[in-house]
Formats: sequence, structure tokens, C-alpha cells
Amino acid sequence: DAGVTQSPTHLIKTRGQHVTLRCSPISGHKSVSWYQQVLGQGPQFIFQYYEKEERGRGNFPDRFSARQFPNYSSELNVNALLLGDSALYLCASSPAKLQEYGYTFGSGTRLTVV
Amino acid sequence: AQSVTQLGSHVSVSEGALVLLRCNYSSSVPPYLFWYVQYPNQGLQLLLKYTSAATLVKGINGFEAEFKKSETSFHLTKPSAHMSDAAEYFCAVTRPGGSQGNLIFGKGTKLSVKP
Repeated sequence: DAGVTQSPTHLIKTRGQHVTLRCSPISGHKSVSWYQQVLGQGPQFIFQYYEKEERGRGNFPDRFSARQFPNYSSELNVNALLLGDSALYLCASSPAKLQEYGYTFGSGTRLTVV
Repeated sequence: AQSVTQLGSHVSVSEGALVLLRCNYSSSVPPYLFWYVQYPNQGLQLLLKYTSAATLVKGINGFEAEFKKSETSFHLTKPSAHMSDAAEYFCAVTRPGGSQGNLIFGKGTKLSVKP
């Protein structure tokens, strides 16, 4: 079975631009979460979606938004990019919103803002 | 509020030596706890998890961790380090039954293994 897939793997954007990151969860997983990992730090929670509804939001500005589609894939959108948005963006999926299943992470999208 | 503290940002051991990576948590309710490993330029891989069953949890690659409520700790151990264990390790906590299933991660411990 395919794991959590994220695209693109790398991209470079200019300050002020917009970016869309994509995530396909493991087949059968209904929960998708997004995390930002700045170099040298642990991942920080951005959003969780379950059954296409937002179930949680971390402490990130409104420039960050996300959605989940009927096939449970997800997009993370970031507007008005800042240099500080440069990070590894990780997507994680889980069978349900309950935590005891654990989360399976994708390999991430490395975003560089110049 | 929940939090995780990983003591030691960098741990170095010799091949064959004991690996001990420390994690202490803060939580107002009994937590679920996880250890993840991250190899360079890769995502996170789940090593093991504690979800209120047995306090000694065995994971992949010979790792195990023990939940100690009295010490609010969930340290990760492996009896004999292998060169392939060199990576960054993250401890994470979440609140069972919470309205959102977000993980709170520590800052990570980078493990180096010397030949």
C-alpha cells in the first residue's frame, strides 16, 4: 500500500507569493493533519481535518488555510509568503480523529521562500 | 497545557552501547505519548506509542520506552546501538479524547553513533 504522499517535494517561492501544497493520505484514512517543521525544531501543528471538516487549528496566522476533499486528500495554502515560512511541511494521516491510532507522516514538502 | 521536554539536543554513543533518549511531559490528564524518528531529508516514522495500556512499550528496530507517571517521563532506550540508528528522535504528546488530535512535539534529540 502507498504511504502518505506529498507534492511537490521541493519548491522555491518569492516573498509575497502564494503556495499550495498537496497531500494524499493512506487509503482508508479519513484524518489529515498538517505540521510545519522549521530547521532545528520539532514539528508544529497547523491544521487537522477529519471527514472534510476542520477539527483543529494551531497558532498560525490567517495566511494559512487548508481544506480536505471528498477523497480525503488535502491542500494547504499559504498566502503572502514570508521568509519565515521557509520550512518542511509535513502531512500526517490517521484512520480516525482519535489519537490512539497514531499518525503516519509523509516525507514532506521543503518550501524555501527567497 | 501540554508540553514535552527532551533533555539533550545531541546524544553520541558508540556502536553497541546503550541508547537512552530522555523525554519528560507535562499534561493535566493522562496523555498518549509517541516517539518518532526522522532520517535526513525524510518525514517522521513512528517508533512506538503509549496509549494507556502496558507501561513498557516495545517498538520497531529494537527500541522500547517506559511510561512512568510518577516521574512524568517516557524515555526511549535501545540495548545496543547500530550505525543505522543515527537520526533525529522526537517525543510527542497528545490529549486522549480531545476535540482535536494534534501532537505536541519536543525539540528533538539528534543521535550520533560512533564506530
